[in-house]
Amino acid sequence: GESVGLHLPTLSVQEGDNSIINCAYSNSASDYFIWYKQESGKGPQFIIDIRSNMDKRQGQRVTVLLNKTVKHLSLQIAATQPGDSAVYFCAENFNNAGNMLTFGGGTRLMVKP
Amino acid sequence: DAGVTQSPTHLIKTRGQQVTLRCSPKSGHDTVSWYQQALGQGPQFIFQYYEEEERQRGNFPDRFSGHQFPNYSSELNVNALLLGDSALYLCASSLAVAGEGNQPQHFGDGTRLSIL
Repeated sequence: GESVGLHLPTLSVQEGDNSIINCAYSNSASDYFIWYKQESGKGPQFIIDIRSNMDKRQGQRVTVLLNKTVKHLSLQIAATQPGDSAVYFCAENFNNAGNMLTFGGGTRLMVKP
Repeated sequence: DAGVTQSPTHLIKTRGQQVTLRCSPKSGHDTVSWYQQALGQGPQFIFQYYEEEERQRGNFPDRFSGHQFPNYSSELNVNALLLGDSALYLCASSLAVAGEGNQPQHFGDGTRLSIL
């Protein structure tokens, strides 16, 4: 498959460790945020979302934290597995922009067995 | 439950030609958005279709146009292709829910367009 994110920031973690991927978003009026996972040759896969009236949301093995004061979003992955290796994108939206998503630059997560 | 499907998966064109890409949304979804993803970058919003009309448009020239059909499927057309149009074109679908704000967009695997 093709390679996504040839020159992206890279986070390398050991299998079984927890991973934290960070994202700074740009628009203080953004009220909806999504994390996507993109594997080589595939489209972005929805992981978890959070609205601006929340600070934290948990899914299966993942947690998203939102700090509106500093416009920061993070994705925590518990017990990281080799299958988690991919490029991760955060995306933001503000309701006045309809459902248009603005994506960050992405972070490559590499999981070492 | 079928997800978002796009066709073709790969396409090669030459400068000046025209191309049409196709997208079928996830079952139950009524809104389709198109994104362009250059190598090594995040997707960039092109436009969104709902109820067969373009509802929102990103910063793309009018060489980029689209259509949505009554069955919610969509096409992206690009005229007068330039070398810089080489990219992965992604379709995403979602369900518009009145009064509940934004809903997650689910993506297809894209069409890789190469311009020679």
